[in-house]
Amino acid sequence: ETGVTQTPRHLVMGMTNKKSLKCEQHLGHNAMYWYKQSAKKPLELMFVYNFKEQTENNSVPSRFSPECPNSSHLFLHLHTLQPEDSALYLCASSPVALESTDTQYFGPGTRLTVL
Amino acid sequence: AQSVAQPEDQVNVAEGNPLTVKCTYSVSGNPYLFWYVQYPNRGLQFLLKYITGDNLVKGSYGFEAEFNKSQTSFHLKKPSALVSDSALYFCAVRDMFPAGTALIFGKGTTLSVSS
Repeated sequence: ETGVTQTPRHLVMGMTNKKSLKCEQHLGHNAMYWYKQSAKKPLELMFVYNFKEQTENNSVPSRFSPECPNSSHLFLHLHTLQPEDSALYLCASSPVALESTDTQYFGPGTRLTVL
Repeated sequence: AQSVAQPEDQVNVAEGNPLTVKCTYSVSGNPYLFWYVQYPNRGLQFLLKYITGDNLVKGSYGFEAEFNKSQTSFHLKKPSALVSDSALYFCAVRDMFPAGTALIFGKGTTLSVSS
C-alpha cells in the first residue's frame, strides 16, 4: 500500500464543516481516480484525472470538489456534506486514464463519517 | 452496456479446502477482467487480470481465475484455502470498446475461511 497513500485515514465532520482528503501516488502513473465505497453497494467512480485534466465526473454533487495539481497528487474537497455521504473514499491510480488493459492500484481509503 | 455480477454475498469454506468465488459479466465486445481483494480497513489490492491468451490466469497469494467465454464467467479459485484469505473479494470488468470505458465493479463477495 505504499504505492498509493491517503490521508487522513479517518475523518469525522459536521455537515457545515469544510475538509479535504489527500491522495498521493508513488508509482509514476498519469491517471488518478476517486471512488466512493458504501456498504452493500458496488464501488462508485466519482472523478477521473488524466495528466492533471479531469476527464470524468459521474454526476457527483457539487459539495464534492476534486483538485489535481500534478499527476502525483489528488485532493477531494468536502463542503456541506450530508450524513448519506458517510463512506470509505478510495483513491486509485493507473498508468493512463481508463486504458482498457491497465490495472488500477488503490490506496487504503479514508473512512468518512458525517454527523 | 457492461455489467458484472457476483451472485454470492458470502462464501464459507474450511481451511485446506478448495474455494471458488463466482463472477459473471456482460459486455458488448471482448472483456478485460480483474479480481481485487479488500481486507478490513484497507484499500483494494490487485490479485490478477485476464486480458487475452491462456484462459487460466494465475495471480497473487496462490489465487487463479478461469476465463470462460461461453459461460461469460471469470471465477476466482484457490486449491487450498487459508484462514488469512478471509476478506472481501471484488470482480471487475471493462469492455475493450469503446476506449476510455470505466472499470465496473461487482458488489463483492465476503469469503470466510474457518479453521
